[in-house]
Parts: sequence; structure tokens; C-alpha cells
Amino acid sequence: DQQVKQNSPSLSVQEGRISILNCDYTNSMFDYFLWYKKYPAEGPTFLISISSIKDKNEDGRFTVFLNKSAKHLSLHIVPSQPGDSAVYFCAASSSGSARQLTFGSGTQLTVLP
Amino acid sequence: ETGVTQTPRHLVMGMTNKKSLKCEQHLGHNAMYWYKQSAKKPLELMFVYNFKEQTENNSVPSRFSPECPNSSHLFLHLHTLQPEDSALYLCASSQDGQLGAYNEQFFGPGTRLTVL
Repeated sequence: DQQVKQNSPSLSVQEGRISILNCDYTNSMFDYFLWYKKYPAEGPTFLISISSIKDKNEDGRFTVFLNKSAKHLSLHIVPSQPGDSAVYFCAASSSGSARQLTFGSGTQLTVLP
Repeated sequence: ETGVTQTPRHLVMGMTNKKSLKCEQHLGHNAMYWYKQSAKKPLELMFVYNFKEQTENNSVPSRFSPECPNSSHLFLHLHTLQPEDSALYLCASSQDGQLGAYNEQFFGPGTRLTVL
């Protein structure tokens, strides 16, 4: 059973609009969450992270929101740009097993010009 | 070279072949990882090495054999693989701290493996 789920395999957004990517988790021991971006023929690259002591973390156009009670996090990209088109992976870890990252299956974001 | 490099980028092998995947990190990290990504599935952690010692082995079949001669190099030796082992194999590294420290992992570009 997947502990980290990204239920939308794909998302299309118009350039300049907001992209919202969602991620749900089931393991209440997870206390650190990361988003990775992956272009074709490249490895995933780290984008942004959030600790469970926060509910929001912002870095430029990227903001991650964490709702611990709902076991839900989301990545907001605003404004979206065509270069943001990629697969986005959500990942989670717990302090008890800091080296283990559990990944979701990814969401393909396409930003249309 | 910078970051995490992997060779070869593509590999086609028969079920009776023996081959090796190589990973090198130029980031001064002390932990290295092998992941498998099959189509439409999440990345699956296979092995973790910390200071050259294997610390995790997520029930990986013995036809996959990792080797970590030093903190900068990681190999995955392959023998008698099955067609279902065809996947993208990703290497990653991180600066691993004590338990409770959070690790941002840096990934290589991966090796696309096809087993015939």
C-alpha cells in the first residue's frame, strides 16, 4: 500500500496561471516533506521542502503548504511558466528513519504557452 | 564533473549477462543510494550506504549486488536479471547527519536498463 500518493497523474495549466499539485500521505510518523522535479532524461532535482513544525514554506514562485490533520500537502507554482513542465514528485521521511525517502508516483505538469 | 554522474546512461542486456552500473558523486557527501523507477510507479529505494557501510537493503533480490568502495563511488552489479527488472536505475547522494537530521538527496541522471 502506497504511503505517499499523488492521485493526479497529469495536470495542464495555462502560462501565467497557478499550478497546484497535491500529495496525500498515510504514515503519521512522516515529519519532513520534499518536492522534486524531473525532466526527461535527467534525475529528479530538489525543489522545496517543509518540516512538520511549519504549515507553509515559500521559495520564489514555489510555495508548499502542509495540512497535518488532513495528511495533505500541496505545491503551488505561481506564475506558471512553460519551463516548469516536468514530472513533480512528492516525498516524505520521518526523523526515525532520516535516510529513507518514500516517494509518490509523480504528477506530469504541462504549462501551455 | 559536478554533482552525481552515472554510467552507462543506457544498457541492454540478456538474462545471462553480467553487467555493472556505476555512480560517482562529486559533492563530498557521505551517503549514497540506489533507487529503481519502473514505469508509472514511485521511486523504490533499493540500497543505502553511509560512510561506505550498507545500512539499508529493502528486500532486493540477490541478483542485484551493490558495492561501495569509498564515499564517492557506488556500483550496482547485475547478474541473471529478468525482463521485469527493466527500469530506470537512479543513484543519489546526501550529506547524512545524525538521526533526526533531514537529508536532501541529489540524484544522478539514471541508467535506463532493458533486460531481454
